[in-house]
Amino acid sequence: DVKVTQSSRYLVKRTGEKVFLECVQDMDHENMFWYRQDPGLGLRLIYFSYDVKMKEKGDIPEGYSVSREKKERFSLILESASTNQTSMYLCASSSTGEGRYGYTFGSGTRLTVV
Amino acid sequence: AQSVTQLGSHVSVSEGALVLLRCNYSSSVPPYLFWYVQYPNQGLQLLLKYTSAATLVKGINGFEAEFKKSETSFHLTKPSAHMSDAAEYFCAVTFFQAGTALIFGKGTTLSVSS
Repeated sequence: DVKVTQSSRYLVKRTGEKVFLECVQDMDHENMFWYRQDPGLGLRLIYFSYDVKMKEKGDIPEGYSVSREKKERFSLILESASTNQTSMYLCASSSTGEGRYGYTFGSGTRLTVV
Repeated sequence: AQSVTQLGSHVSVSEGALVLLRCNYSSSVPPYLFWYVQYPNQGLQLLLKYTSAATLVKGINGFEAEFKKSETSFHLTKPSAHMSDAAEYFCAVTFFQAGTALIFGKGTTLSVSS
């Protein structure tokens, strides 16, 4: 069964900390995505990557950065965590050839910044 | 620019009643459209997709959606609601091109009462 695995289900961090959210996919997909989910706002795209070492800003990249050193791994970095970054973070992947068939999502990381 | 509007943040139906969740899109190029479902504390699961083939699309769990270009709509329906259908539903749009990402609506929470 194909999988997108997010390293942590729940995470609590302090304001100002540098936070790493990890995502690994085992489907050899070219594209990987980070979304943030908040009640009433749906899913908003933070960053995505369509190839190793490539990245594109989404709708809300401020306060975030990403790293994609290997095809299967896409990391989201909160440079200095703030309380307004408390949210559910969802990683997804897709194949360029099959991109029209939808994404595969991870189970999410619920991040609380205190 | 592409966008998705889901009409109604919360829909309540009785068990056995028709389910209708509304989605309208805006796209300057032929769209690919998706419906995802999210059960509590889980990631998103693909329900169905429209990729420029048949305009009436059947998905999992008895759901279907019809692409209507003239109305720029992709409403999700199910003839008879079941208690297990209670979840949050997201409509999403993209188009088939490298370097593009899914754009999601804000979601509709479906409640089913007995």
